[in-house]
Amino acid sequence: DVKVTQSSRYLVKRTGEKVFLECVQDMDHENMFWYRQDPGLGLRLIYFSYDVKMKEKGDIPEGYSVSREKKERFSLILESASTNQTSMYLCASSISGTGGFNEQFFGPGTRLTVL
Amino acid sequence: KQEVTQIPAALSVPEGENLVLNCSFTDSAIYNLQWFRQDPGKGLTSLLLIQSSQREQTSGRLNASLDKSSGRSTLYIAASQPGDSATYLCAVRVDSNYQLIWGAGTKLIIKP
Repeated sequence: DVKVTQSSRYLVKRTGEKVFLECVQDMDHENMFWYRQDPGLGLRLIYFSYDVKMKEKGDIPEGYSVSREKKERFSLILESASTNQTSMYLCASSISGTGGFNEQFFGPGTRLTVL
Repeated sequence: KQEVTQIPAALSVPEGENLVLNCSFTDSAIYNLQWFRQDPGKGLTSLLLIQSSQREQTSGRLNASLDKSSGRSTLYIAASQPGDSATYLCAVRVDSNYQLIWGAGTKLIIKP
């Protein structure tokens, strides 16, 4: 079974802090994604990566950056946390290929609260 | 621009009933469609993926169908159980960069 793990289930940080959210997958997937999920707004894509050291902006990249130094690990960085970044953060991964079989697998999520 | 809609937003049915959840999309040019389940405060669990060339996929009591021409997918749950209570989301992949377009979900409650 594919396993996607996230470093923390719950995290509380203060405004202005630099925050690192880590995601690791064990299935050698090329693609990795970071989403945030908010009530009434659904899932929104922040960044994704289709290879090591590659990154692409999603729908809401402002205030975030990412790092992918190894294939299995994708980090989301909040350079200076703000209260409006309080949210559930979800990481996902999938294989590459054009066959339409690129099922996304999700981690358990990190509930981040910024005070 | 592709839009994905799930109606109803919430559904409550007695245990044991068969039920259908709906997902519609505006552009038939999709690579695949995926159904997920989300329990409160948890991550998403992938249930079924249907490739654009397929008509349906089955896993246990779940059956998902895809009709690209009409822009619809259904998730059929047979013999519902209280443990099926969750929010069900559908998402379509529309282009080569693997991004998904998401529905808002249907919150399902199965009453014992």
